Amino acid sequence: QLQLQESGPGLVKPSETLSLTCTVSGGSISSSDYFWGWIRQPPGKGLEWIGSIYFSGTTFYNPSLKSRVTISVDTSKNQFSLKLTSVTAADTAVYYCARQLSGFRWYFDLWGRGTLVTVSS
Amino acid sequence: QSALTQPASVSASPGQSITISCTGTSSDVGSYNLVSWYQQHPGKAPKLMIYEGSKRPSGISNRFSGSKSGNTASLTISGLQAEDEGDYYCCSYAGSGSVVFGGGTKLTVL
Repeated sequence: QLQLQESGPGLVKPSETLSLTCTVSGGSISSSDYFWGWIRQPPGKGLEWIGSIYFSGTTFYNPSLKSRVTISVDTSKNQFSLKLTSVTAADTAVYYCARQLSGFRWYFDLWGRGTLVTVSS
Repeated sequence: QSALTQPASVSASPGQSITISCTGTSSDVGSYNLVSWYQQHPGKAPKLMIYEGSKRPSGISNRFSGSKSGNTASLTISGLQAEDEGDYYCCSYAGSGSVVFGGGTKLTVL
């Protein structure tokens, strides 16, 4: 059974860079059937798509975050990563990684448990 | 891209049916039959309930159904049960590889 697990610092200072990694286990990140995405949820609020990546490195980003976001993939480690620069308190959220169907289907069928990242000095 | 519009809350008694609307634009919901719906319980990750507008993943009860008319997608839950209580989010493809979520709807089973 494929699983996703987020990891990274739970506390980031304002103006610094948030870095998270999602490790995929029980399956290959190099499958042509899937994208791999990041979604976040501020406390008490709704879901926001951050961006997605294909195993080849092709990326898609939320236009509202594009200037601050980089998503990368390491197929040798079966991992993909998120970097969000110049963070503020508004970036405090639970960050989820998820598997997203490719082939013009676009839905998220498998999610990690999420990790809370707090932006505070 | 702007978030899709959902009602903040809906409520009904066990056994009844509810429908949650998800309104977008001609650039997202209206252009593609690619709306998905997710259920989220407190402190848990979202769970896929409906994809491609009306399809159910394996293991999802047929009490859950999806539809679309114009720029509005809908999720209907029939025969409400206590475990259906939670937050529901719609999500639509919005072109150029992007997706957009709705603001979420809190379902209360009275």
